[in-house]
Amino acid sequence: AQRVTQPEKLLSVFKGAPVELKCNYSYSGSPELFWYVQYSRQRLQLLLRHISRESIKGFTADLNKGETSFHLKKPFAQEEDSAMYYCALRYWGGGTSYGKLTFGQGTILTVHP
Amino acid sequence: SQTIHQWPATLVQPVGSPLSLECTVEGTSNPNLYWYRQAAGRGLQLLFYSVGIGQISSEVPQNLSASRPQDRQFILSSKKLLLSDSGFYLCAWSVGRVSAEAFFGQGTRLTVV
Repeated sequence: AQRVTQPEKLLSVFKGAPVELKCNYSYSGSPELFWYVQYSRQRLQLLLRHISRESIKGFTADLNKGETSFHLKKPFAQEEDSAMYYCALRYWGGGTSYGKLTFGQGTILTVHP
Repeated sequence: SQTIHQWPATLVQPVGSPLSLECTVEGTSNPNLYWYRQAAGRGLQLLFYSVGIGQISSEVPQNLSASRPQDRQFILSSKKLLLSDSGFYLCAWSVGRVSAEAFFGQGTRLTVV
């Protein structure tokens, strides 16, 4: 079955330190992976997607199919990065032309001054 | 531009009472629509998924049901609420297939007492 696992519920770092939020997935097909972020009192929103190979707000994530991972990294954390982060997988089933989006349990990142 | 409306923002209901949460999307056609529940310590759980009017997929067995009476309207319902239905409910939409971003509503905080 399709699954997204984020092993850390809470992650605390100091400003300027590197940060890595872990995400592992299980899916037999070709995955589409995303990172979503929810800042305090704001809506859940897309941060980045693996297919774009983009860097958003200094964050990057590389899809490692061998390790089935999609870890989110930033070399120098900022206080404004404090938020809830969700890793998400879109998967396809039953020969349909649409995909379902499933999320991990989320990691609360706190960046201390 | 596309917007998503979800209401009410907060709701306190007694056990055994009915529930109706509504979500509407503007500025797009034939969206994929989702209902998620964000329970404490459990992350985002996909409850229902719809690709068109009257087409509902249920992801987990539960006390809830969903309906899509119009293209851009998605309703989450229950005939009799349980204490375990308490949580934060999120409606979301997406269009397209590849790497489509999902857009989330502000959510409804439901407390069953």
